[in-house]
Amino acid sequence: NAGVTQTPKFRVLKTGQSMTLLCAQDMNHEYMYWYRQDPGMGLRLIHYSVGEGTTAKGEVPDGYNVSRLKKQNFLLGLESAAPSQTSVYFCASSFGQPQPQHFGDGTRLSIL
Amino acid sequence: AQRVTQPEKLLSVFKGAPVELKCNYSYSGSPELFWYVQYSRQRLQLLLRHISRESIKGFTADLNKGETSFHLKKPFAQEEDSAMYYCALTPGGLTGGGNKLTFGTGTQLKVEL
Repeated sequence: NAGVTQTPKFRVLKTGQSMTLLCAQDMNHEYMYWYRQDPGMGLRLIHYSVGEGTTAKGEVPDGYNVSRLKKQNFLLGLESAAPSQTSVYFCASSFGQPQPQHFGDGTRLSIL
Repeated sequence: AQRVTQPEKLLSVFKGAPVELKCNYSYSGSPELFWYVQYSRQRLQLLLRHISRESIKGFTADLNKGETSFHLKKPFAQEEDSAMYYCALTPGGLTGGGNKLTFGTGTQLKVEL
């Protein structure tokens, strides 16, 4: 039982490049989330999903898009990467409200 | 809007000393509160939640609605407790809000020998 798996673990991009971060969970959770973690700012919610085929904006959604085509996967896309998006990205999932969230190992993304 | 405040960025204590990590929140309804811990280069993991009233790894936290606080305490710090600790809040009950967590900015606990 892997829990929440994020790929890739590390990535370096150039400004303007695009990429997709993949999150997969094997716990049959309905809810999934993408956060970014920056020094001194804690974790901030980017987008989330309350079920297959649904997405919603979080606190800092600008510059990101998401898709939840399958229940177990939640993709985070950067269409045109900017240096301000250099961060550690965490995916999480939960059964629903108000259950604890389970986190992945994170993706360290650097944009030059 | 909900908000979580952790006033200390860094807390340094000696091994065997008591630990208290402060967390204050603002929310108009009845919140669900959690403490998450992140050990060096590991994923965030749930430490405890207020409704379970458990003691995990010797840590406890009591929800004080009057002071809107959820401080994390441990009577005797151990070296392995060194980590980043995050307090987090989600609206209680079935509010349809997506179970979104609002995190504090975190407190780095350093236990010195």
